[in-house]
Amino acid sequence: NAGVIQTPRHKVTGKGQEATLWCEPISGHSAVFWYRQTIVQGLEFLTYFRNQAPIDDSGMPKERFSAQMPNQSHSTLKIQSTQPQDSAVYLCASSGRDWGNQDTQYFGPGTRLLVL
Amino acid sequence: GQGVEQPDNLMSVEGTFARVNCTYSTSGFNGLSWYQQREGHAPVFLSYVVLDGLKDSGHFSTFLSRSNGYSYLLLTELQIKDSASYLCAVKMPNYNVLYFGSGTKLTVEP
Repeated sequence: NAGVIQTPRHKVTGKGQEATLWCEPISGHSAVFWYRQTIVQGLEFLTYFRNQAPIDDSGMPKERFSAQMPNQSHSTLKIQSTQPQDSAVYLCASSGRDWGNQDTQYFGPGTRLLVL
Repeated sequence: GQGVEQPDNLMSVEGTFARVNCTYSTSGFNGLSWYQQREGHAPVFLSYVVLDGLKDSGHFSTFLSRSNGYSYLLLTELQIKDSASYLCAVKMPNYNVLYFGSGTKLTVEP
C-alpha cells in the first residue's frame, strides 16, 4: 500500500497564476479531505469528499479555490489567481471504515506551494 | 485553532516522560485523535480516543476527560527520536471533519 500520494511535492508560482494540486487516496478509502498548513494558522480544514461527492467545503475560501473528485482514485485542488498568502503546505488525507469505525485519516506528504 | 488549544513547546530529557496537553471547546465532539509530525513530513496517526479515561498503548498513552474538554498524550521512556510536533485534533460530528490544535513541539534532550 503506497499510502496517500500527492503531486507535485513542491510548486512555485507567480502571483496571479493558477495552481492545481493532485491527490490519490489510499485504494478503497471512501473519504478524501484537504487541509492547509501554515506556521501562523496551523492545520486548517478546507474541504471533504465522500464517495466522490462534495460533503463539506466550509473551510474553503469562496473565491479562487475549488476542489473536485472526478473518480475514486484522485482529487484535485485548484487555486486560481494565486496570491502570496496562499503559500502553504496543502495536505490531503483519506479515510475508510477501520475497526471501531474510527475513520482514521491518513495523510499524504503534502504539496508545498510558494507564491512569489 | 477553532477551539483546540495546545502549548507551543515542551522540553524533556531522554529516558524520562513527557505529557502533551490539549484542551478543546468545540461545538461538537465525536472523538479526539493524536498525530505526530516531523519537520517537513506529513502528520502520522498515533491514537484515537472517544471514551473517558486512560488508554495505554505502550510508548504512547492517551487520556481523555470529556466533561473537562481535556486530553493528554503521554510519552514514556523518551528517546531523542521522539522529538517532533504532536497535534491533537477533535473529530466533529458533522461528517468527521478534524479540527486541529496548533501542535506542541517536543524537544527531547540527552
